[in-house]
Amino acid sequence: SQTIHQWPATLVQPVGSPLSLECTVEGTSNPNLYWYRQAAGRGLQLLFYSIGIDQISSEVPQNLSASRPQDRQFILSSKKLLLSDSGFYLCAWRAAGSTDTQYFGPGTRLTVL
Amino acid sequence: AQSVTQLGSHVSVSEGALVLLRCNYSSSVPPYLFWYVQYPNQGLQLLLKYTTGATLVKGINGFEAEFKKSETSFHLTKPSAHMSDAAEYFCAVTDSWGKLQFGAGTQVVVTP
Repeated sequence: SQTIHQWPATLVQPVGSPLSLECTVEGTSNPNLYWYRQAAGRGLQLLFYSIGIDQISSEVPQNLSASRPQDRQFILSSKKLLLSDSGFYLCAWRAAGSTDTQYFGPGTRLTVL
Repeated sequence: AQSVTQLGSHVSVSEGALVLLRCNYSSSVPPYLFWYVQYPNQGLQLLLKYTTGATLVKGINGFEAEFKKSETSFHLTKPSAHMSDAAEYFCAVTDSWGKLQFGAGTQVVVTP
């Protein structure tokens, strides 16, 4: 069966510091991968999605970037965090070529102070 | 473009009462529709989905939803609320590019 992991689970970072959040999927090959953010009162916002290694699309211009160094690894990064980057970050995967269910990871709670 | 509207950002129900969460969508293609549940500080868990076929779909934890094309609705119901149903619920539709469009979410509070 497939599983999705995210780490860290929680993170407190000062403004201006770098960020790296990691997501890995097990039990499937060439998944579509997604990064979402939930900010208070703003629902779920799609940040990035990837249909393959080095194939990443950005949905919203922002202070963040994403990379996919391996087939089942998706990383969310920032060089300098802003207060507005605080939120709950969710990674999700979907089977390649599918428009069916997305499966979500447990999330990372990021607080920028 | 696809979009989802969830009526009511907060719903309060008594334990044992009917749970009804409303979802309306707009879609230019035959929709795939989903309901997800999120407990505090956790990821989203799939409750149920409609892709094709039977319009009444049953999910986990006693929930079900009915796809009504004429009404562009996909309302979620559960006959008898349990305290463990307290959570946030999201309706979503897949757009023509395969990306999920989420509603704003409905927070469910269950009172004894």
